Amino acid sequence: EIVLTQSPGTLSLSPGERVTLSCRASQIISSAYLAWYQQKPGQSPRLLVYGASSRATGIPDRFSGSGSGTDFTLTISRLEPEDFAVYYCQQYGDSPPFIYTFGQGTKLEIK
Amino acid sequence: QLQLQESGPGLVRPSETLSLTCTVSGGSISTYYWNWFRQPPGKGLEWIGDVYYSGSTNYNPSLKSRVSISVDTSKSQFSLKLNSVTAADTAVYYCARELGRYFDLWGRGTLVTVSS
Repeated sequence: EIVLTQSPGTLSLSPGERVTLSCRASQIISSAYLAWYQQKPGQSPRLLVYGASSRATGIPDRFSGSGSGTDFTLTISRLEPEDFAVYYCQQYGDSPPFIYTFGQGTKLEIK
Repeated sequence: QLQLQESGPGLVRPSETLSLTCTVSGGSISTYYWNWFRQPPGKGLEWIGDVYYSGSTNYNPSLKSRVSISVDTSKSQFSLKLNSVTAADTAVYYCARELGRYFDLWGRGTLVTVSS
């Protein structure tokens, strides 16, 4: 089973700052099968990026994803107050077991 | 606009079966894979399994022995059954649509507590 490790666990930042979140896979994964989600307290996850770098419908262009192989990143170019949330990366394993797994999440909190 | 809504009991006794339904509205349930996830309080997301509109299923091996997912296209619903529950199954359960090995539409989630 592919394990995704996100770092750091928590980030304390101020609005306006730039942030890069990391997601590292325990083995090489297809970029096509790497996605990022945002989750706010009491809400369901919201798709931000799919295919490692494609923004989902309606997602502001301050969000961008990149990476390949085992290392992927989500960058928020300029933090808005509504961006403080938990971010998860997710992958689909195209070799047995064919399952979806998530990273443990990175929490962005206001400094 | 397509929407998903989970429904079912919020409290289940230990050793009993958790049963939830996800209703798809504003669009067709035919095509796409439909998924169940769960998130224990304060923890991360876990994929439970999926069902295609044709009825074929895939399950997380960690839960496979206890899980069953089915679809009823006539009602635009798909359902989750998890048997022999324990306190470790207490979580918010979400349904979601898979679009291409990622999940673009989610229900609001429903908290299920396992307790006597």
